[in-house]
Amino acid sequence: DQQVKQNSPSLSVQEGRISILNCDYTNSMFDYFLWYKKYPAEGPTFLISISSIKDKNEDGRFTVFLNKSAKHLSLHIVPSQPGDSAVYFCAASGGRGSARQLTFGSGTQLTVLP
Amino acid sequence: DTGVSQDPRHKITKRGQNVTFRCDPISEHNRLYWYRQTLGQGPEFLTYFQNEAQLEKSRLLSDRFSAERPKGSFSTLEIQRTEQGDSAMYLCASSLARVEQFFGPGTRLTVL
Repeated sequence: DQQVKQNSPSLSVQEGRISILNCDYTNSMFDYFLWYKKYPAEGPTFLISISSIKDKNEDGRFTVFLNKSAKHLSLHIVPSQPGDSAVYFCAASGGRGSARQLTFGSGTQLTVLP
Repeated sequence: DTGVSQDPRHKITKRGQNVTFRCDPISEHNRLYWYRQTLGQGPEFLTYFQNEAQLEKSRLLSDRFSAERPKGSFSTLEIQRTEQGDSAMYLCASSLARVEQFFGPGTRLTVL
């Protein structure tokens, strides 16, 4: 069973506009959520994270929103740039005492059009 | 470059052969993770080390898979008697007692 789901395999956005990537999870024990960006032939690069005790975290152009009641999080990129084109993975980390391994979604390919 | 490094970057092998991959984590990081990624999927957790102790290995895909971190620094992942289904990207990540993990570039395995 997929505990972390990214239901949109792809998203296209015009340069300068907002990109919104979505992620849903099912395991209530997850207490930390992360977003990674991946270019072809490279490993995932950490972007931003959020603790389950918060509902928003911002870092420059990137903001992550967490809705615990809906078990949903989203990544907003404003403004979007062509260099943001990559696969974005949502990941979740387990509760206290866990190995803190990450459970990933299947990714969303973001294409920012110039 | 002080990031996570992996060697080799690409490995092509014939079915039935053994392969070994190496991961060098960020130097001060005490936690090391191995993941596998197949086409169209996110990385899937395999195993975890804290220093030299392998604290989680139940997710290793079969008894053909094993991992070591002998001195708490670099780690190796070995696959014995490779099968075509083992073809994937094998990723290593490290962290310093934090949730954020930093990934290496991966080793792409192709089993013919």
